[in-house]
Amino acid sequence: EAQVTQNPRYLITVTGKKLTVTCSQNMNHEYMSWYRQDPGLGLRQIYYSMNVEVTDKGDVPEGYKVSRKEKRNFPLILESPSPNQTSLYFCASSLSDSYEQYFGPGTRLTVT
Amino acid sequence: AQKVTQAQTEISVVEKEDVTLDCVYETRDTTYYLFWYKQPPSGELVFLIRRNSFDEQNEISGRYSWNFQKSTSSFNFTITASQVVDSAVYFCALNSYGGATNKLIFGTGTLLAVQP
Repeated sequence: EAQVTQNPRYLITVTGKKLTVTCSQNMNHEYMSWYRQDPGLGLRQIYYSMNVEVTDKGDVPEGYKVSRKEKRNFPLILESPSPNQTSLYFCASSLSDSYEQYFGPGTRLTVT
Repeated sequence: AQKVTQAQTEISVVEKEDVTLDCVYETRDTTYYLFWYKQPPSGELVFLIRRNSFDEQNEISGRYSWNFQKSTSSFNFTITASQVVDSAVYFCALNSYGGATNKLIFGTGTLLAVQP
């Protein structure tokens, strides 16, 4: 089954404790992206990747890191999480940036 | 700068009513793509439609239809004979080609509540 998977689905952590949210797709898509969803703000793009080793900032990259060492994986790293990073995070992939994106199930992160 | 505006924050209708969700976009680029996504109460994001800037044909898919008008920079979404299962948050999004960035920009979404 074609899908985008994210782990964990739920995470509660404390300020400053490094964490990684994994994202994997099995559709051989070149384009992958991370978004955060906050009430009243819609979805905002954090980082995106056009292909392996090619990443770029979206609209809200501060406090996040990404890497794309393999085509199927695109982890999101929070080196020192803060409460304002409490949000619902979605990973997505597509053939290219001009095609529809397939979204993962989301990761709800709470930073206390 | 690119921008997507969904001015309707919430809409409530009674089942079987028709409803139109508005989407207005801003871009200076001539090549761009517009999308609609649905987010039901379960939380997943579901792709509905993709339209490129060179194709202004309206599209119909069952009870769903989309009206793309470049003259007014709008890409509106109509649900005919709404059903309770249509209750969701609907997002309009823009991918605009210009400069070195290829960001996808979402509107803030419209919450549609269909009452039985």
